[in-house]
Amino acid sequence: GAGVSQSPSNKVTEKGKDVELRCDPISGHTALYWYRQSLGQGLEFLIYFQGNSAPDKSGLPSDRFSAERTGGSVSTLTIQRTQQEDSAVYLCASSLARGQMWETQYFGPGTRLLVL
Amino acid sequence: QKEVEQNSGPLSVPEGAIASLNCTYSDRGSQSFFWYRQYSGKSPELIMSIYSNGDKEDGRFTAQLNKASQYVSLLIRDSQPSDSATYLCAVVMIKAAGNKLTFGGGTRVLVKP
Repeated sequence: GAGVSQSPSNKVTEKGKDVELRCDPISGHTALYWYRQSLGQGLEFLIYFQGNSAPDKSGLPSDRFSAERTGGSVSTLTIQRTQQEDSAVYLCASSLARGQMWETQYFGPGTRLLVL
Repeated sequence: QKEVEQNSGPLSVPEGAIASLNCTYSDRGSQSFFWYRQYSGKSPELIMSIYSNGDKEDGRFTAQLNKASQYVSLLIRDSQPSDSATYLCAVVMIKAAGNKLTFGGGTRVLVKP
C-alpha cells in the first residue's frame, strides 16, 4: 500500500510569510508525528497525535508553530511569520501504535523548507 | 541528561569489519527499542526493533538490549560501504500524556573500502 506522503517536497519562502506543510499518513495508522531535522542534526520532536486524544505539543519551539489533524488522518503543520532559523527538513511519520509494543514508525520523504 | 544518548561519531570502520553502535536511555520503564538508518538527504528507515533483553539477529545486523543497564546496541557484521549512514536509536518513553518515541542524535558510520 501507499506509504506516508508529504507535500510540498520543497518550499522556499520569504521571511515573515506563513507556510503550511501537509502529511498524509498510512491508512489506518492512529499515531502521527512531526519532526524537524536541521542540516547534520538529529530528529527534533515537534508534535504527536494519537487517535482522538489531545495532541502532545511539547516539542513545538514557539507559538508560531501549530498543527492539526483532521478526521484522524491528514495533518497540516503551519508555521506563521517564518524565520530563517525555521529552515530545515520537516518529517512526518505514522504508526499503528498499539499499546506499549510499538509497530514500525514509517517516515514520509519530508518537506525541505528554506526561509530566505 | 538527554533521554536517549548516542555518540555522534563518525565511527570509521574498514570494509568487512564489525561496526558497534551504542545507545543509552533514561527511562527505566521503556519497553520498546528501535534502530533506524538514515542515508544523507533521505528519511529514516527502520532496520531493527527489539523488546526483550538479549540479542536479536537479522541478517548482518544484531541488536542487543540490556534493560537493567538501560543500554541498547547495534552490531553490523561484515560492514559494507553501503552501510555508511547515520544510525538513529529510538526508544518509546513512558509519558503521563502517553507513550512517545524519542530519538537519539544519531551515530554517523563511515565504512571505508
